[in-house]
Amino acid sequence: SQQGEEDPQALSIQEGENATMNCSYKTSINNLQWYRQNSGRGLVHLILIRSNEREKHSGRLRVTLDTSKKSSSLLITASRAADTASYFCATGNIYNQGGKLIFGQGTELSVKP
Amino acid sequence: DTEVTQTPKHLVMGMTNKKSLKCEQHMGHRAMYWYKQKAKKPPELMFVYSYEKLSINESVPSRFSPECPNSSLLNLHLHALQPEDSALYLCASSQLPGLAGDTQYFGPGTRLTVL
Repeated sequence: SQQGEEDPQALSIQEGENATMNCSYKTSINNLQWYRQNSGRGLVHLILIRSNEREKHSGRLRVTLDTSKKSSSLLITASRAADTASYFCATGNIYNQGGKLIFGQGTELSVKP
Repeated sequence: DTEVTQTPKHLVMGMTNKKSLKCEQHMGHRAMYWYKQKAKKPPELMFVYSYEKLSINESVPSRFSPECPNSSLLNLHLHALQPEDSALYLCASSQLPGLAGDTQYFGPGTRLTVL
């Protein structure tokens, strides 16, 4: 499969805790992105990290990228109930034409108040 | 305006019906995408339009027919669908066609049910 893998598939935490989800991919990439999807809705772009970057922050989000291991992690600090959603990583493959993104299988995050 | 809009939000159709899904963006993006998403799965790419021309068709059955009348509008015409085509259909756009991994902006989706 071209699609990446994410783990865990599901994660349940208490409000205030940190949530970490991981993504692995298979090919050389231009960048890696994380998207959030609330139940039955469209995807919302969260953050993009380029292949020559190792770490990036945006608010309560921290993304790391290890191109040697072909993996990335997304850390959400001080989680809130509103963070409950599915999270997908997506890679821009340097061999793919047309701006195609390869999505991971997703992590379903549940934050309990 | 940083929004992608999709209509209708919900659609129920029989296997003999013909219907269309509509997507619109006014961000000046020149790439537009149709995805199909089943429950608890990632989006699956169906079609990509670059500068109003079809650039990628991911071997989608001909009962799905895309159309890009202008740079802001994308349609998906549906005919003789099967119950297994029931899914959330997502439209997205990005600024530059052909740029690997360009950020995509998604609409809220159309929830399609085929009876």
